[in-house]
Amino acid sequence: EIVLTQSPGTLSLSPGERATLSCRASQSVSSSYLAWYQQKPGQAPRLLIYGASSRATGIPDRFSGSGSGTDFTLTISRLEPEDFAVYYCQQYGSSPLTFGPGTKVDIK
Amino acid sequence: QVQLQESGPGLVKPSQTLSLTCTVSGGSISSGDYYWSWIRQPPGKGLEWIGYIYYSGSTYYNPSLKSRVTISVDTSKNQFSLKLSSVTAADTAVYYCARSDTAMVGLIFDYWGQGTLVTVSS
Repeated sequence: EIVLTQSPGTLSLSPGERATLSCRASQSVSSSYLAWYQQKPGQAPRLLIYGASSRATGIPDRFSGSGSGTDFTLTISRLEPEDFAVYYCQQYGSSPLTFGPGTKVDIK
Repeated sequence: QVQLQESGPGLVKPSQTLSLTCTVSGGSISSGDYYWSWIRQPPGKGLEWIGYIYYSGSTYYNPSLKSRVTISVDTSKNQFSLKLSSVTAADTAVYYCARSDTAMVGLIFDYWGQGTLVTVSS
């Protein structure tokens, strides 16, 4: 099973700032089959990025994903008030699919 | 717009079987265009994929839960269901149903239900 580690655990930033979130896999994620989700309190996760760098339908272009192999990054170029949430990475290249523990982006 | 809605008891006793149903509206499970999954999230913790079913009834489960999980589908009601046997307090979680497009490579969850909290307690 591929174990995903996310860092930092919490990221404290101000609106307008750039957020850089890391997801590291215990072994290579085949074909960059990595996704990112956003979850707000009391809500289900929302798909942001798949295939490491493809934005899902309706996702603003301030969200971008990059990386390959074992190291992946989600970047939010300029934080909007609605972006303060928990972000999870998910690998779907190997069975069973697994999620990372999450990074919380909160308001500084 | 597709919608998924979980339903079932919010409280289950230890050693009993947890049973939940996901009702899909705005689209047909029988279309064959999607896989239908269950995912859970213990309070304050991360996400764990439980397993999926296809409209034909074929299933795939997370090996960590495989011995206790059964997912079934009722295409006439546009529903799919989860049964988790021999539950303990560690099975307390918000349970989500979710959809994955078969046109995509791998399981990526583009639509989710709102989730339902199931507490295991005597």
